[in-house]
Amino acid sequence: DADVTQTPRNRITKTGKRIMLECSQTKGHDRMYWYRQDPGLGLRLIYYSFDVKDINKGEISDGYSVSRQAQAKFSLSLESAIPNQTALYFCATSDPRTGLPGELFFGEGSRLTVL
Amino acid sequence: KQEVTQIPAALSVPEGENLVLNCSFTDSAIYNLQWFRQDPGKGLTSLLLIQSSQREQTSGRLNASLDKSSGRSTLYIAASQPGDSATYLCAVNLDSNYQLIWGAGTKLIIKP
Repeated sequence: DADVTQTPRNRITKTGKRIMLECSQTKGHDRMYWYRQDPGLGLRLIYYSFDVKDINKGEISDGYSVSRQAQAKFSLSLESAIPNQTALYFCATSDPRTGLPGELFFGEGSRLTVL
Repeated sequence: KQEVTQIPAALSVPEGENLVLNCSFTDSAIYNLQWFRQDPGKGLTSLLLIQSSQREQTSGRLNASLDKSSGRSTLYIAASQPGDSATYLCAVNLDSNYQLIWGAGTKLIIKP
């Protein structure tokens, strides 16, 4: 089983719908991240969380919200999806106590298409 | 503002060749630099992480170098194999926290 699991892996939805992408991890890491990847661009950080009570905006947080339900769970929501949110979304974890600073471990990605 | 560039965007070479992938960054004040491999439908896998104080890291047939003063890193792949076909991404870490700045990647195809 993967250490970082994302659900759903693929989702097609319509403009205006609310969508939630979920991430769970078994690595015991405190830090969790949501990134999006668009063709021809590098990954961009949406939100990150250093523990259950800590939520921070990343580079492109507009139109997104997150919830850190537990140390192991970090969800990304699109309250009203729009077509330019069509992308590949990645969840990642890290823990400087157990690994190299900045070392990230990724889930397999969630491909979202907004029509 | 830190920017990371990977050229070329795509590369196709015959099996068995040694090859070099390039990554350049605009600000030399980095904490570390990582190389990742991305396979379709399988997420990203960390290959090598070079701390700012290091010049290179090696793992098997892979060798990554770092020259902060010139803002460059290279990933050397020896004796390439079709299984090396993937997209290779480099990311610069600005500090010990979350500030990873990513290149757009180089899509590598190794022809049998």
